[in-house]
Amino acid sequence: DAEITQSPRHKIIETGRQVTLACHQTWNHNNMFWYRQDLGHGLRLIHYSYGVHDTNKGEVSDGYSVSRSNTEDLPLTLESAASSQTSVYFCAGGSRANTEAFFGQGTRLTVV
Amino acid sequence: AQSVSQHNHHVILSEAASLELGCNYSYGGTVNLFWYVQYPGQHLQLLLKYFSGDPLVKGIKGFEAEFIKSKFSFNLRKPSVQWSDTAEYFCAVNGSGGYQKVTFGTGTKLQVIP
Repeated sequence: DAEITQSPRHKIIETGRQVTLACHQTWNHNNMFWYRQDLGHGLRLIHYSYGVHDTNKGEVSDGYSVSRSNTEDLPLTLESAASSQTSVYFCAGGSRANTEAFFGQGTRLTVV
Repeated sequence: AQSVSQHNHHVILSEAASLELGCNYSYGGTVNLFWYVQYPGQHLQLLLKYFSGDPLVKGIKGFEAEFIKSKFSFNLRKPSVQWSDTAEYFCAVNGSGGYQKVTFGTGTKLQVIP
């Protein structure tokens, strides 16, 4: 299985600060995704990428940005963190041929 | 736009009881369907998937799901649950082709009582 590594695993930041969550995959998957998981909402798609230099907005993209400068990494940046962005964030990757997504361990972000 | 509905938000069962979790999807084309499981404090893991062929799909740990195209459903079943099945279960869908994003349902929390 693909290895998806997320860092940090836990983060506490102050409102208004910028923070970047890292996602690194080792299997050269073209597709990478960022989701947030909140009680009662399941997983909601923030941003996704189908390849280098390709990024797309998901259903809850406001306040977030991503960049894809290489195949392995899709960092997620919160430009000015808000308390509403307190959540658990999951990165996922998948290939074009096999559309199953493999998930990282998640990052628990708390905005205070 | 694609969407997924999971009607049971919280299910409590005794060990050895049978399980069926409902999942209905909305999508205007050929779909791939998935069930993921999330054990407490862990990330999502794939239970089973349907891409094409036999609509009855068998997954890990004794789980199975049936794709009924006419009902837009992909219900998850297990004949006899165990305490270790306590987890949250997510149904997901994407369009076939590999360039499609995966959309998840809101999840069903299953609690199995010994």
